Amino acid sequence: SQQGEEDPQALSIQEGENATMNCSYKTSINNLQWYRQNSGRGLVHLILIRSNEREKHSGRLRVTLDTSKKSSSLLITASRAADTASYFCATDRNSGYALNFGKGTSLLVTP
Amino acid sequence: AAGVIQSPRHLIKEKRETATLKCYPIPRHDTVYWYQQGPGQDPQFLISFYEKMQSDKGSIPDRFSAQQFSDYHSELNMSSLELGDSALYFCASSPGLATDTQYFGPGTRLTVL
Repeated sequence: SQQGEEDPQALSIQEGENATMNCSYKTSINNLQWYRQNSGRGLVHLILIRSNEREKHSGRLRVTLDTSKKSSSLLITASRAADTASYFCATDRNSGYALNFGKGTSLLVTP
Repeated sequence: AAGVIQSPRHLIKEKRETATLKCYPIPRHDTVYWYQQGPGQDPQFLISFYEKMQSDKGSIPDRFSAQQFSDYHSELNMSSLELGDSALYFCASSPGLATDTQYFGPGTRLTVL
């Protein structure tokens, strides 16, 4: 990956708990996005936060962005078993509009 | 709502063979991106097209080529396949080059034996 690392690589929690995933990146960005991927399936766009925004909410999702630290976090509140998936952050490339993905966090939510 | 269509969904090839992956973007989307995701890896950008012209190039091997046709569908051609080419290949589309959100297809799983 040309961009960030995600932390933790794997996370296991119980239903109802909150899950927090972190993403760091290396270069300046216009925006940062979070995607979800169920095992071996396609990527689903969750939320986008622009470089001039600090926090954004969408349903049970809360994303923060700290451009001074080049990091972002995704918080999933009141997790459900159906939230079990891999979560990737993605930033725009300097040379175009394609995405640079982070390593991803594998989230397991047990009933 | 219509989504990105990729075909085939699964493909098994032998080493040194060729493969062609197809991507049909969401209607009225004129931009297509190709990504490769190896086992346990993050997706890596390969190449993109806007209005039938190559718009950006990532880590696409020289053995691979791609194009976007007049109906905006795209094909990724892969030759001299290697074991390391085994991966999920995703196509994504967007309505314009500078649009933030990309809509991903279900992927083509390529296995090279």
